[in-house]
Amino acid sequence: DTAVSQTPKYLVTQMGNDKSIKCEQNLGHDTMYWYKQDSKKFLKIMFSYNNKELIINETVPNRFSPKSPDKAHLNLHINSLELGDSAVYFCASSQAGLYEQYFGPGTRLTVT
Amino acid sequence: QKEVEQNSGPLSVPEGAIASLNCTYSDRVSQSFFWYRQYSGKSPELIMSIYSNGDKEDGRFTAQLNKASQYVSLLIRDSQPSDSATYLCASDKTGRRALTFGSGTRLQVQP
Repeated sequence: DTAVSQTPKYLVTQMGNDKSIKCEQNLGHDTMYWYKQDSKKFLKIMFSYNNKELIINETVPNRFSPKSPDKAHLNLHINSLELGDSAVYFCASSQAGLYEQYFGPGTRLTVT
Repeated sequence: QKEVEQNSGPLSVPEGAIASLNCTYSDRVSQSFFWYRQYSGKSPELIMSIYSNGDKEDGRFTAQLNKASQYVSLLIRDSQPSDSATYLCASDKTGRRALTFGSGTRLQVQP
C-alpha cells in the first residue's frame, strides 16, 4: 500500500556516468515533484509536473532531465554526474486544488 | 535573507512538556504553510497544514499562523521521545505548487 515509491533507494556511481531515478505514486494525484536535499539537509524544489506537463524548472542544470510518462510516474535522468550531485533526491506528489505534498522514501545518490 | 527561516536548534525539552517551534517567512505572497517532521535518514512526513490566520489543532499538535507578522509556529503538547526529529517549516505561493522549505529545527525530547 506504498503511496509514493522510488527506485533505487541507494545509488553509488562515478563522476561522468549517467543515471536514472524512478518515482511512482498510487494516490491518484495529478502533480509530482522532485526535491533535492543536500548534505546540510536543506530541501529544495527542482521540478514539478502537472498531468505530465512541466510547470516548474527551478534553475536546475540541464544535465537533469525529468520525464513523466503518465501522471502516476515521474523519472529523473542525470547526465555526466558530478561530485556536487551527491544528495538525497525525494519525489513527492499532491492532488489538484490542494497543496499538501506527500514524499517518497528518497534516493541517496553518491557520486565518487 | 532566506525565504523561510528557522532556528536550527537543537531545541531540548523534557518529556511531557510543550515544545514550541517557530518559523518566519519573508515573502508576503506566501499563502499556505506546512510543518513536516523528518526522522534521521527518512523522508519528510506532513504533520500539519495551515492556510488562514489563527490556530489549527490536530491531536497533540497546534499550528499557529500570523500573516501580519509573517510568523508560523508549531506547538507539540505532551512531548514524547518519539517526537525527537527535525521539523521543517514550508510555504507555498498561490498557484506555484512548489514548497519552499526552511532549514529545519532539530527537536530533542529528553525522557
